[in-house]
Amino acid sequence: EDKVVQSPLSLVVHEGDTVTLNCSYEVTNFRSLLWYKQEKKAPTFLFMLTSSGIEKKSGRLSSILDKKELFSILNITATQTGDSAVYLCAVCGSARQLTFGSGTQLTVLP
Amino acid sequence: KAGVTQTPRYLIKTRGQQVTLSCSPISGHRSVSWYQQTPGQGLQFLFEYFSETQRNKGNFPGRFSGRQFSNSRSEMNVSTLELGDSALYLCASSTGQYNEQFFGPGTRLTVL
Repeated sequence: EDKVVQSPLSLVVHEGDTVTLNCSYEVTNFRSLLWYKQEKKAPTFLFMLTSSGIEKKSGRLSSILDKKELFSILNITATQTGDSAVYLCAVCGSARQLTFGSGTQLTVLP
Repeated sequence: KAGVTQTPRYLIKTRGQQVTLSCSPISGHRSVSWYQQTPGQGLQFLFEYFSETQRNKGNFPGRFSGRQFSNSRSEMNVSTLELGDSALYLCASSTGQYNEQFFGPGTRLTVL
C-alpha cells in the first residue's frame, strides 16, 4: 500500500521567513510526486516531479525530489501572509491513483 | 480553458437518503477521480474513471458508486446516507500518464 508522510504537521512563521516542508513516501513503481496548496477551498496544483524532472521552481516556491531517499521538499522563500494554507503532497505509483499525505498547515504571521 | 466544475456546491440531506454529485472535467481530460475530504481522515481516494470504465477503486463501501459518460462527465452516487458521509467531495481530472490532477471546487455534503 502506498504511503505518504508529511512533516511538520503545522508551522507558524513570520512574513519574510523561509520555510521547508517535508514529504517522505513509499510507493510501488513510482510515477510522480505532486504538491498542492489548499486554502479554504479545493487544492490547487503547484508542482509535479518525476524521474525526468526532479527540480521545479516557480517564483518564491521550489521543490526537489530525491528518488533514492524517497522524499521531497517544498521550499517557500520570503513568505507572505497569502502563503498561509495547507500544503499537500501526493504520490502516484503503479496503481495510477494519487495517495495524499495529511498535509502541513502553514501559518504566516504579519 | 475552463477548469473542473462540480455541482451542486452545497447539499444538505438526511440519513437514509441518497445523493448524486456531478463533475465536468477540463476539456480533453479523460480521467476523472473522486475524493472524500474530512478533517479527521484527510483526502481519501474513492474511485477513478477513464473512458467510461472504472480503473481504480478505494476502500469505501458499496454505497459509494460512480459512472462516467462518453463526454467524460462523471457522477458519483451515495445511497443510504450516514452521518459520517458528511464531507467535502472533490473531483479531479487528468490527462497525462503521470496523473497530474486538477481539482474542482468540491461539493460540501451535510447529512443530518
